[in-house]
Order: sequence, then C-alpha cells, then structure tokens
Amino acid sequence: SAVISQKPSRDICQRGTSLTIQCQVDSQVTMMFWYRQQPGQSLTLIATANQGSEATYESGFVIDKFPISRPNLTFSTLTVSNMSPEDSSIYLCSVEPDHSYNEQFFGPGTRLTVL
Amino acid sequence: GQQLNQSPQSMFIQEGEDVSMNCTSSSIFNTWLWYKQDPGEGPVLLIALYKAGELTSNGRLTAQFGITRKDSFLNISASIPSDVGIYFCAGHLETSGSRLTFGEGTQLTVNP
Repeated sequence: SAVISQKPSRDICQRGTSLTIQCQVDSQVTMMFWYRQQPGQSLTLIATANQGSEATYESGFVIDKFPISRPNLTFSTLTVSNMSPEDSSIYLCSVEPDHSYNEQFFGPGTRLTVL
Repeated sequence: GQQLNQSPQSMFIQEGEDVSMNCTSSSIFNTWLWYKQDPGEGPVLLIALYKAGELTSNGRLTAQFGITRKDSFLNISASIPSDVGIYFCAGHLETSGSRLTFGEGTQLTVNP
C-alpha cells in the first residue's frame, strides 16, 4: 500500500476564490488520481495527474477549473478555481503503486465548503 | 454515465447478522475492488479481485468476482458495530485502463 496525506483537511471558502489542495505520498508512484465526492454521493474521477506532462481530464472536468500540477513522483496539487457553492465536496487523491496491479489507495480527503 | 449498479443502497441490521451486497454492470470488468469509507475519511481498500470466479476472504469479509466479469458481491459475516460505514464497489472496465469506476455505495448500519 501507500501512505497518503492531504492538505488542508478541510476549508471554508468564499465564492469566486481558489483553493489549492496538496497530496503527498510516502513513495514514488507513477499513477496518481484526483476524485470528487459530492455530499452523499459516490466518487467521480476528475483527472489523472501525469508526472512531467499535462493531466488527463475526464468528461465534464476542464483544466481551467481544476488545474493540476505533478512536479515529481510523490506530490501533486489540485486547484479548485473560481469556486461556487456547487464545488462544495470532498476532494480525494489516490495512487496506484507501481507494483500493486490495479489497486488504488486513497488519501483522507479535503472537505471543501464554499459559501 | 454510471456503469455500475450497487445494491442495496442501505441496510439496517442487528449485530451478529450476516450482510450481502453486490454490484452489477452491463460492461466487462478486469478487476473488482471493494472499499469501506468511514465518515470524514477516505475509502479504505478491503478486498481486490483479479479474475473471473475468484473468491477471496479477508477476515469476516468474503468477495467474489462474477464468472461473467460483469458483477461482484461482498459478504460480511457476524457483523459488529464497527462495520458501520459506506461500502463501495469499484472496478477497472475492460476498456478504461487504470481509470476506476465506482458504484453508488451501500450505507450499512449495525444496531448493537
């Protein structure tokens, strides 16, 4: 498995502002992902964070709204830009360790509330 | 759109009872994963399944990869209060590479 930490654990933000969420892993991993979990809902993949290249976004998610950085194999950031109350969700990063054969492990999540 | 149907949506059981939940799809999956999520936490991986027909146990938990590769179930035996939480199935579609598709979740409540 992998030990994953996220910062911040929670935040309350004003609409129109942006928040950057950090994800740190205790080992180098190729595959890192960002998910959104809206209140009472399941997890939806936002994008795959690729090291050294642009993230791969899922349908319905765009780089301007959710810019992602992946400067190395242990760290990634997700920014939620120009926030609105509809962005209130839990944002989770996950990793698939290089020798894990398709097992994904999740961070504790960042609970975002937009007023 | 949603490609995994998970049922039931919620369950209310007495401590000591067995629990069963399942996920079905019209699409073929290469792997099935079962997660548990406690309030305020990220999902924790319980069991991973890799081939059709595979039956795997982890303590009181047993999960199976359906023979058609389109379904999976999770059983919990002799439930205890700490089994309370949301259980998610997830899988890698045959066509989706490393991208994981999640079911809608089963909310389990265990009454002591």
